[in-house]
Amino acid sequence: QVQLQQWGAGLLKPSETLSLTCAVSGGSFSGYYWSWIRQSPGKGLEWIGEINHSGTTNYSPSLKSRVTISVDTPKKWIFLILSSVTAADTGVYYCARYPILTGYPFWGQGTLVTVSS
Amino acid sequence: DIQMTQSPSSLSASVGERVTITCRASQGISSYLAWFQQKPGRVPKLLIYAASTLQSGVPSRFSGSGSGTAFSLTISSLQPEDVATYYCQKYDRAPLTFGGGTKVEI
Repeated sequence: QVQLQQWGAGLLKPSETLSLTCAVSGGSFSGYYWSWIRQSPGKGLEWIGEINHSGTTNYSPSLKSRVTISVDTPKKWIFLILSSVTAADTGVYYCARYPILTGYPFWGQGTLVTVSS
Repeated sequence: DIQMTQSPSSLSASVGERVTITCRASQGISSYLAWFQQKPGRVPKLLIYAASTLQSGVPSRFSGSGSGTAFSLTISSLQPEDVATYYCQKYDRAPLTFGGGTKVEI
């Protein structure tokens, strides 16, 4: 049974850097892409980017200039870095697993990040 | 990039009524389409993946259909606990775009 445990700073000031970690346990790490997704208060879902076990990344065009996703495959940890945050980056951030060929998406419980001066 | 257009953006229906939400991709995505249900303050819950496969534990009144560019989520008999916002998402290749959401009310 796969589990995704997320953690990171929940309160940031404008211009600071958001840093979140997602630890995968209980399931395969290869054969999937690992995504970060966010949801601002009262808004819809926004895909941020993804990485696979070998470190291949893809990013949302709208966030690409500020986002870095990386992976520690032996530990099965996935990292999200979002630089120069503003209040518009406030929201719940989710780590999620998506199958490359077959299987189903699976999401973590989310981490609330608030950006406020 | 492929755009996902979901409609309607909101609907109101009676208990027991059949409800259908549609999702259209601007280009073909095969069957790499998922449907999520989100209740206020909760994590989105996977209902359907691979366009038509019901996720384990999801009531059978939910069903998905379609492939290529046109997809739909149907609730065969709307229940009070189905009040939520529903999202479609493509996951064939990056970017994994979401539809804008459909708010379902009784």
